[in-house]
Amino acid sequence: EAQVTQNPRYLITVTGKKLTVTCSQNMNHEYMSWYRQDPGLGLRQIYYSMNVEVTDKGDVPEGYKVSRKEKRNFPLILESPSPNQTSLYFCASSWDRNNQPQHFGDGTRLSIL
Amino acid sequence: KNQVEQSPQSLIILEGKNCTLQCNYTVSPFSNLRWYKQDTGRGPVSLTIMTFSENTKSNGRYTATLDADTKQSSLHITASQLSDSASYICVVIAYSGAGSYQLTFGKGTKLSVIP
Repeated sequence: EAQVTQNPRYLITVTGKKLTVTCSQNMNHEYMSWYRQDPGLGLRQIYYSMNVEVTDKGDVPEGYKVSRKEKRNFPLILESPSPNQTSLYFCASSWDRNNQPQHFGDGTRLSIL
Repeated sequence: KNQVEQSPQSLIILEGKNCTLQCNYTVSPFSNLRWYKQDTGRGPVSLTIMTFSENTKSNGRYTATLDADTKQSSLHITASQLSDSASYICVVIAYSGAGSYQLTFGKGTKLSVIP
C-alpha cells in the first residue's frame, strides 16, 4: 500500500530538548516536504526536497532542519524546540512538485512545554 | 503576493443535500489548482487537480470547477454523506520557471454534515 509514514504521531517534550520526527515514503517519490498546520493559519511549508541531497527552505523554515540522505526518508529536526513550535506537522511526497497529487502522512502532533 | 481565499470558513448542511465551496486566488503565473479533503486527525487527501485548460473535473460525488479568467474555483458536493464532514483545502501552484514552484494554501472550509 502506498503510504507516507510519520513517527512519532504524538510527542510532548520540553523546551531545548532536541527531537527528530521521521518521515518515510514507499512510492519512490523524488519530492518530499514538511508542513505545519496551525488553527486559523492553514498549512505552511517548512522545507522541501527535490531529490537526495537537495533541500530548500519553504515559507517558515526558522528553527527547523532537514536532511535527505536517502530517497525514501526525510526527517525533520528541531535542534532546540521552543513553545511556538507546538503544532501539527505533516510530511508529504509526490513524483514532482507540479502536477502530481501529494500524498500526506497522518501527522505528528508536537507539544513543546 | 500570492493569496488563496476560501469561503465559507465553515458550513453545516443536512445529510443528502448538496453544497458548494469557493476558492478565489491571486496566484501567478498559474500552474494548477488542487482540492484536498482533510478528515479530523488525518492528513489531507487529494480530490482533484486542474490545470489551466481544464474547467471541470469530477471525483465521484465531488466536482471541481475552475474559471482561470476570474481566478475562481468551486468544489461541489452532491448528495452529501456524514463521511463528507471534513475540512476542504484549496491549493494553487504557481510556476515561475526553471523548475521553481510556489504552493499557496487556503485556510480551508470546515464542512459538517448532520443527520
